[in-house]
Amino acid sequence: KNEVEQSPQNLTAQEGEFITINCSYSVGISALHWLQQHPGGGIVSLFMLSSGKKKHGRLIATINIQEKHSSLHITASHPRDSAVYICAVEQGGSEKLVFGKGTKLTVNP
Amino acid sequence: NAGVTQTPKFQVLKTGQSMTLQCAQDMNHEYMSWYRQDPGMGLRLIHYSVGAGITDQGEVPNGYNVSRSTTEDFPLRLLSAAPSQTSVYFCASSYSRRVGLPTYEQYFGPGTRLTVT
Repeated sequence: KNEVEQSPQNLTAQEGEFITINCSYSVGISALHWLQQHPGGGIVSLFMLSSGKKKHGRLIATINIQEKHSSLHITASHPRDSAVYICAVEQGGSEKLVFGKGTKLTVNP
Repeated sequence: NAGVTQTPKFQVLKTGQSMTLQCAQDMNHEYMSWYRQDPGMGLRLIHYSVGAGITDQGEVPNGYNVSRSTTEDFPLRLLSAAPSQTSVYFCASSYSRRVGLPTYEQYFGPGTRLTVT
C-alpha cells in the first residue's frame, strides 16, 4: 500500500465547476505539499501546510491531521487549470518527501 | 534569479554509457534533491543533500552517484546506464529541510528526459 494515496486518478470537469482532489496518507507527517505539473512538464509548488487551511486565489487547501487527509479545491475552474496535481508528505522525523501518483485534471471549455 | 536549472533537457544514451546530469540553483538553498518520474508512479527520491558536503540515499539510489561540493551544484552521475533508468529526472531545492526545523516550499528544475537504448 502506498503511503500517499490520491483520488481520483483522473478528473474531467466543465469550465466553472468546483473541483476537489483528495490526498490520504498513512504515516505521521510534519507537513504536506500540493504541487502542480503542467502538460509541459514543469512542477510548481502550490501550497505547503501542516494544519488548517490555506487559500491562494481560486485554490484552497485543507488538512485534517487527525484523519490523515488533505483536500485541494479549485473554485470556478478554468481550462488553464488543466494539469496534474500532486500531493507530497514530509514524514515526521525524516528529511524526505513521499509523493502520491498525482491526479490528472482536464477542464473543458 | 534563474531558480533551479538542469542540463541537458534531453539525452539519449546507450546501455553501459555513463553521464552526469547537472543541477544548479542560485537561491542559496541548503537542501537539494534528485527525483525520477516514471509513468503511473509518483516522483521517487534518488539522492538528497541537506548541505554542502552532505549527501544521503533516497528510495531508489542504485546506479546513481551524487556529490555536493558547493551549495549551488548537485550533479547526478549515472555510472553505467541501463534501460531501466529511462525516465524524466527532476532536481529540486528548498531553503532548508532538517528534522525538527521549519519546512520550506520546494523549487523544481525543468527536468531532463533521459532515454537509454
